Amino acid sequence: SQTIHQWPATLVQPVGSPLSLECTVEGTSNPNLYWYRQAAGRGLQLLFYSVGIGQISSEVPQNLSASRPQDRQFILSSKKLLLSDSGFYLCASTGYNEQFFGPGTRLTVL
Amino acid sequence: KQEVTQIPAALSVPEGENLVLNCSFTDSAIYNLQWFRQDPGKGLTSLLLIQSSQREQTSGRLNASLDKSSGRSTLYIAASQPGDSATYLCAVRELSSNTGKLIFGQGTTLQVKP
Repeated sequence: SQTIHQWPATLVQPVGSPLSLECTVEGTSNPNLYWYRQAAGRGLQLLFYSVGIGQISSEVPQNLSASRPQDRQFILSSKKLLLSDSGFYLCASTGYNEQFFGPGTRLTVL
Repeated sequence: KQEVTQIPAALSVPEGENLVLNCSFTDSAIYNLQWFRQDPGKGLTSLLLIQSSQREQTSGRLNASLDKSSGRSTLYIAASQPGDSATYLCAVRELSSNTGKLIFGQGTTLQVKP
């Protein structure tokens, strides 16, 4: 199975500051990669997915962007954070069939 | 549009009880269905994956069934333990998806009391 690393584990940022969350994957090659957000009391919302290097699809309009500079690296960014960007961010990877998740990053925007 | 529903939203049972968690989906054209476990503040752990051609999958005390025609899946947990306390999520991958995107239910939060 795959191993997915995310960092940082927790982050507290002021409104208007930039953001960069990183995700790396081990144990597979050419995976589909995903960024989800889980807000308190709400379900998982798919933000971005990528089927290959440099290929990014956005699921919802928002203040965030994603990039995939390497096969097993996925980055979530923002130029200026909003209060509504607070949440639990999860990176996921799909190999052939099964989807695996990383440990998540808890982002609090103050 | 595919919608995934999990009922109940929360469940509390005494230790040792067998229990069933339910998941329903509106469009039966699915590629597979996956059950996950999420502990508070943690990521999702994959429990079982059922392909659309399969009826059930088993792992230890867990058994997941799939009835695609009726749009239902159940997760059966035998002899529940306090360590089973967590939120359980089901998710479907649609047949039309070539990207592996999953559509999630809202989850069932399970508490097993000692």
